[in-house]
Amino acid sequence: EIVLTQSPGTLSLSPGERATLSCRASQSLSSSYLAWYQQKPGQAPRLLIYGASSRATGIPDRFSGSGSGTDFTLTITRLKPEDFAVYYCQQYGSSPPGYTFGQGTKLEIK
Amino acid sequence: QVQLQQWGAGLLKPSGTLSLTCAVYGGSFTGYYWSWIRQPPGKGLEWIGEINHSGTTNYNPSLKSRVTLSVDTSKNQFSLKLRSVTAADTAVYYCVREDCSAGTCSHFDSWGQGTLVTVSS
Repeated sequence: EIVLTQSPGTLSLSPGERATLSCRASQSLSSSYLAWYQQKPGQAPRLLIYGASSRATGIPDRFSGSGSGTDFTLTITRLKPEDFAVYYCQQYGSSPPGYTFGQGTKLEIK
Repeated sequence: QVQLQQWGAGLLKPSGTLSLTCAVYGGSFTGYYWSWIRQPPGKGLEWIGEINHSGTTNYNPSLKSRVTLSVDTSKNQFSLKLRSVTAADTAVYYCVREDCSAGTCSHFDSWGQGTLVTVSS
């Protein structure tokens, strides 16, 4: 089973700044199978990025994803107040088929 | 725009069986896999298992012995049963659609509203 480790656990930034969130996999995985989600309190997660770098429908272009192999990054430029939330990375594995999530990064207002 | 609406009992006693159902509205039921994901209070996300319209299932190995997923294609619904629950099963449970547009289902693009299930004596 591939384990995803996210860092940092908490990131404190101000609106207008740039956020860089990391997701490291315990073994190499296909970029096609790496996604990112945003979750706000009391809400279901929302898909941001799939295939490591493709934005989901309706996601603003200040959100971008990159990476390959074992190291993946979610970057949020020009932070807005509504961007402060918890972010999760997720991978799909085919053998056996299934999904795992990272433990999450909390992005908080400084 | 697909919508997922879920329901089920919110309070269970230890050793009981958790039962949730999710209805899919506004989109195709075939051609997708449908998953359940849970989130204990204040913690992260855990995938429970998936099922497609044909009834093909895959389960999280850590829960496989206690989980059964089923599907009712006549109603565009799928269901979760989790047996022998304990306090550790207390969580918000989400029903979710997997995006399979790239030929392989690899991420989750639509979520139900979530159901808090509490296991307590």
